[in-house]
Amino acid sequence: DTGVSQDPRHKITKRGQNVTFRCDPISEHNRLYWYRQTLGQGPEFLTYFQNEAQLEKSRLLSDRFSAERPKGSFSTLEIQRTEQGDSAMYLCASSLDRGTDTQYFGPGTRLTVL
Amino acid sequence: KQEVTQIPAALSVPEGENLVLNCSFTDSAIYNLQWFRQDPGKGLTSLLLIQSSQREQTSGRLNASLDKSSGRSTLYIAASQPGDSATYLCAVITLKETSGSRLTFGEGTQLTVNP
Repeated sequence: DTGVSQDPRHKITKRGQNVTFRCDPISEHNRLYWYRQTLGQGPEFLTYFQNEAQLEKSRLLSDRFSAERPKGSFSTLEIQRTEQGDSAMYLCASSLDRGTDTQYFGPGTRLTVL
Repeated sequence: KQEVTQIPAALSVPEGENLVLNCSFTDSAIYNLQWFRQDPGKGLTSLLLIQSSQREQTSGRLNASLDKSSGRSTLYIAASQPGDSATYLCAVITLKETSGSRLTFGEGTQLTVNP
């Protein structure tokens, strides 16, 4: 499978715990995006990487959130001191900075904070 | 700030009906527009991407149209089937010099096709 993959697919945690999600983009894609989707809403942009550089962060990305893409390949999204309001689907997408720059989405990680 | 609205929020139809989902956006300076399908608890599946220079795209029973000047797109589904039941999301795509393509999504239309 050469699509975008995310791990884990589901995560249940208690309030106050830290969680980390991983995204593996399509191998030749140099752009990577994180989105958050709450129930009944469309996905909202969180952050964007061009290779290993994090070039933009949404105001939705509070200081409890940090994202990395250390070697310009996979990316991690960490949430510290989780709150119930962090419960959502976290989606990753990747694209190639040529042609239509179409974003391809992974299956998402569903986070539930108890 | 780009805002995307989808109407209706939910739709329930009998099998075999043709139907239209609507998407409107406030800023017509878009790069492309994309329609996605999302099954419950799952990620996004791209259905159709319309470039700003195009008026429509077709894939099987799906046809998407784009009118940039009026800020509207429609997704037409012909001969609907129970397997079409899902949430359909419209996303407007803009290009930013330093941040790649930016997708702004609507809230989706939840479609139920009854056998």
